[in-house]
Amino acid sequence: GENVEQHPSTLSVQEGDSAVIKCTYSDSASNYFPWYKQELGKGPQLIIDIRSNVGEKKDQRIAVTLNKTAKHFSLHITETQPEDSAVYFCAASYTGGFKTIFGAGTRLFVKA
Amino acid sequence: SAVISQKPSRDICQRGTSLTIQCQVDSQVTMMFWYRQQPGQSLTLIATANQGSEATYESGFVIDKFPISRPNLTFSTLTVSNMSPEDSSIYLCSVDAGGRETQYFGPGTRLLVL
Repeated sequence: GENVEQHPSTLSVQEGDSAVIKCTYSDSASNYFPWYKQELGKGPQLIIDIRSNVGEKKDQRIAVTLNKTAKHFSLHITETQPEDSAVYFCAASYTGGFKTIFGAGTRLFVKA
Repeated sequence: SAVISQKPSRDICQRGTSLTIQCQVDSQVTMMFWYRQQPGQSLTLIATANQGSEATYESGFVIDKFPISRPNLTFSTLTVSNMSPEDSSIYLCSVDAGGRETQYFGPGTRLLVL
């Protein structure tokens, strides 16, 4: 069945450094890839997404890249801040499928 | 986006009892989803609820254990029936954004079963 693998499971960086989280999906029909940030005690919040007709998308300190051939997509956070500390989930779905497959999550710690 | 609220935000329940979780959205939406998130784990889809039709359950989840109602386009409930400690989880409601793939999540209901 469909699967999304996410690495690393835990990531610790110094404030100001960059953080990269990588995901791989299995279903070649997937064409929509959202990223969610979940802070302690809260629900997941959409932070950025990318569709398969685009290779890269950026929003301030956050960027996402997509390699359709390799079925890889990655989240890049630059100039990390303590408030970036959270669990990040990647996901994959396809138009009309209405089923989103989530990665296992990455717990990001940003040390001040 | 959509603003989603859930009630209760948390609860502690005794085994064998049932709990109904409410999800309210500030706009009309076609699809509503219920997820379970066990401690430190990812999100697992329980069922998809469309207004006016029976909910569609994922493998491993059954209607007798997790009955769902969807009386209108802004509201849904999930009941966790005959609870056991294994049901201790965060239960999340989410909605689609105008029929597209993007899902927005509520704050979750944190359930502890003793």
